[in-house]
Amino acid sequence: KNEVEQSPQNLTAQEGEFITINCSYSVGISALHWLQQHPGGGIVSLFMLSSGKKKHGRLIATINIQEKHSSLHITASHPRDSAVYICAVNTGGFKTIFGAGTRLFVKA
Amino acid sequence: DTAVSQTPKYLVTQMGNDKSIKCEQNLGHDTMYWYKQDSKKFLKIMFSYNNKELIINETVPNRFSPKSPDKAHLNLHINSLELGDSAVYFCATDRGGEQYFGPGTRLTVT
Repeated sequence: KNEVEQSPQNLTAQEGEFITINCSYSVGISALHWLQQHPGGGIVSLFMLSSGKKKHGRLIATINIQEKHSSLHITASHPRDSAVYICAVNTGGFKTIFGAGTRLFVKA
Repeated sequence: DTAVSQTPKYLVTQMGNDKSIKCEQNLGHDTMYWYKQDSKKFLKIMFSYNNKELIINETVPNRFSPKSPDKAHLNLHINSLELGDSAVYFCATDRGGEQYFGPGTRLTVT
């Protein structure tokens, strides 16, 4: 079992829907990241969290350290949000563990 | 001006060959990484370098060797390529835990 689990694996949504992607981890962490990988392959860092909540545009990321759980929310989803969303955790000592990713497809 | 660049973008080669992938960053970050993304899109860390010193080598075969000629470069040299080495390789830098990825190099071994 991977130390970082994401759900769902695949998600199809209609444009405008509110989307939630979940990440659970089983190790001690110094920070958690949400990354976005577009079909072209490039990877972009969306958020780095160590506590609480962050918001950037239509994206919101939350983390509950006690429950070892984070969520990424997308409000008013759009076809351009279609991508793979990856949760990753820093465990200290320059080590990063990645989840398997959630493939999101937003239909127009 | 690209922050983290990799060359080449695509690399097709035959089994048994030796190849290198180059990574350059202009962000001035001390820490650099090499990651491998397999066909199922799963990312795994291969190497972590901090100030030209190897920090982590995650059970990577010794056919893979990172080389850092200076703080701005971390190249990946692969000897005796195998079919299973086919993947996308990403270089990344780190500042305070936040990572900046290169565009990736798609390696295909035939």
